[in-house]
Amino acid sequence: NAGVTQTPKFQVLKTGQSMTLQCAQDMNHNSMYWYRQDPGMGLRLIYYSASEGTTDKGEVPNGYNVSRLNKREFSLRLESAAPSQTSVYFCASSERPAEAFFGQGTRLTVV
Amino acid sequence: GDSVTQMEGPVTLSEEAFLTINCTYTATGYPSLFWYVQYPGEGLQLLLKATKADDKGSNKGFEATYRKETTSFHLEKGSVQVSDSAVYFCALSVKAAGNKLTFGGGTRVLVKP
Repeated sequence: NAGVTQTPKFQVLKTGQSMTLQCAQDMNHNSMYWYRQDPGMGLRLIYYSASEGTTDKGEVPNGYNVSRLNKREFSLRLESAAPSQTSVYFCASSERPAEAFFGQGTRLTVV
Repeated sequence: GDSVTQMEGPVTLSEEAFLTINCTYTATGYPSLFWYVQYPGEGLQLLLKATKADDKGSNKGFEATYRKETTSFHLEKGSVQVSDSAVYFCALSVKAAGNKLTFGGGTRVLVKP
């Protein structure tokens, strides 16, 4: 009963370092999403993939790239981390419009 | 653009008290409305939804009614438990916007025994 699995759960980066956040879902969903959660701001969409082979920018895409590796996996890459990217990152997937299933999150700190 | 506004927390209640969390929205099209809940250390879970005006979503004792005339979707529960302590997010999606979710800022609820 895995659902949406994100790795890692915690990460500390130095400014300028790069890293990739991994996400995999086992529900055969077509759509996948990356959000960031900041205090008082709810969740903001970074990128999404409506189906395998497609990706689109969300509300806050600057500083990020994504790859929809296959139907199961959707990764988020920070090429040069900045302190403003300190946040909690959530991956989600859905089949029915907008009824998303979320992973447990990755808490990222950039120092 | 689309937006969701919900009351800021934290909301602190005693067990068995009545809970209401206000949520209002603006949308360019005809939205579907949702409440998601986030328990400590976990991701968000869908709590309830409503897809058209006057629909009432309900789950786990929580209810919310889609009010098109007041563009609102307030969450209520008649008698809260300590286990209801969580962050609650109101959200909307519009088909014309690709069904992406737009979230409010979240309301933290703390229920004390």
